[in-house]
Amino acid sequence: KQEVTQIPAALSVPEGENLVLNCSFTDSAIYNLQWFRQDPGKGLTSLLLIQSSQREQTSGRLNASLDKSSGRSTLYIAASQPGDSATYLCAVGPQSTSGTYKYIFGTGTRLKVLA
Amino acid sequence: GAVVSQHPSRVICKSGTSVKIECRSLDFQATTMFWYRQFPKKSLMLMATSNEGSKATYEQGVEKDKFLINHASLTLSTLTVTSAHPEDSSFYICSARRFVYNEQFFGPGTRLTVL
Repeated sequence: KQEVTQIPAALSVPEGENLVLNCSFTDSAIYNLQWFRQDPGKGLTSLLLIQSSQREQTSGRLNASLDKSSGRSTLYIAASQPGDSATYLCAVGPQSTSGTYKYIFGTGTRLKVLA
Repeated sequence: GAVVSQHPSRVICKSGTSVKIECRSLDFQATTMFWYRQFPKKSLMLMATSNEGSKATYEQGVEKDKFLINHASLTLSTLTVTSAHPEDSSFYICSARRFVYNEQFFGPGTRLTVL
């Protein structure tokens, strides 16, 4: 059974710092991995999607890497801003012979960027 | 980009009543939709997978008679919480998988409060 863990659970940093959020998964047979952002009381905003054949994806100040063999993904946020404060979730799409492609979510990292 | 909507965004109801939540893919056809539940400060837990024109597949521990799911068309899935009780209060989020692609697009969520 796939399990997804995110470390740290919470993080508080001063504005301008570069930071790394970690996501680990127990079964390397994944279809893809997606990083999301969730603001308090809100839904999910997709940040980056990495296919299983890819090593990384970049969007603006965000860079996500994937190492399937070791069961790890990292989300790198450059020059953090107070507006980056949110909960970040990673979700793993396991390989599926039934074609359902359901996601399994990590526990989340609550990020607070101090002005 | 692909957009998924949910209606209503918030609902407050009395204990014992039934509540219907709609999930729509606005600009694409979704053969598969997923329903998630999120408890306060927790990650998302998959409740069920719904495929257009067939019965939903429920995750272990989810009461199918309590949470009725209907996926009547390629753009609409509904979740009905029957005889709601205060413990059903939660944030419900749907996602839709675009046909042929493996990326899921998430709705903004519905906050259900049962008094």
